[in-house]
Amino acid sequence: GENVEQHPSTLSVQEGDSAVIKCTYSDSASNYFPWYKQELGKGPQLIIDIRSNVGEKKDQRIAVTLNKTAKHFSLHITETQPEDSAVYFCAATPRDDKIIFGKGTRLHILP
Amino acid sequence: DTGVSQDPRHKITKRGQNVTFRCDPISEHNRLYWYRQTLGQGPEFLTYFQNEAQLEKSRLLSDRFSAERPKGSFSTLEIQRTEQGDSAMYLCASSKLAGVYNEQFFGPGTRLTVL
Repeated sequence: GENVEQHPSTLSVQEGDSAVIKCTYSDSASNYFPWYKQELGKGPQLIIDIRSNVGEKKDQRIAVTLNKTAKHFSLHITETQPEDSAVYFCAATPRDDKIIFGKGTRLHILP
Repeated sequence: DTGVSQDPRHKITKRGQNVTFRCDPISEHNRLYWYRQTLGQGPEFLTYFQNEAQLEKSRLLSDRFSAERPKGSFSTLEIQRTEQGDSAMYLCASSKLAGVYNEQFFGPGTRLTVL
C-alpha cells in the first residue's frame, strides 16, 4: 500500500523567513496530494493541494511542487507569520476513497 | 456552522466499557470517513461510507469497532470493550462525490481517553 514519508518532524524558523517541508510517496498510482494544517484541538484543514498533472501550484504565501518521476512533493511557506505555527501534514491519495497521511511537521515561528 | 460536527468532543472511559461517537457531515456530502489519530502521528484511515453503504474497512478496525450510517446522513462509531490502546483522537471527514478528486473536510474530532 501507499506509504508517505515526511521531513522534518519539527521545524523552527524566524518570523519572515521561509519554511520548506518535504514528502515522498511510494505508490505511483497516487494522483492527488493535499496538504493539511492542524491547530491544537482542531481537525486537519486543507490549505492547498496539487494534482498529478501539475508540477507547481501557488496560493499567496503557500506553494507546492510535485515531481512525479521522483515521487517527491514539497510545501513552501514564504514570509512566515506567527499564525503559521501549527502541525502540517502532507498526504497522498492512491484511490479516491482514502487519504494516506505523513506523520506531520510541527512548525514553530520564532519572534 | 455548516462544517462537519462531532460529538462528544472528549470522552473519558474505563477499560472494558463501550463508547459511541457521532459524526454529522456537511449537508449533501455523500461520502463519510472515519480516521484515528494518535499523538504525534498523522490520521490513519479506518473506514468510509458512500451514502449508507460501508465500502471499505481498514485492518486497523478490529471486531470491537463498528460503524454505521443508517440513513446516509450522520454516522456513529462504536467501540466495544475499550482498551487503553484505543486512546486516540477519532476524526470524521466528509466529501461530495463530484469528480476524480474529492476534497475531504474534517471535523474537530473526538478525543478518547481509556483509563
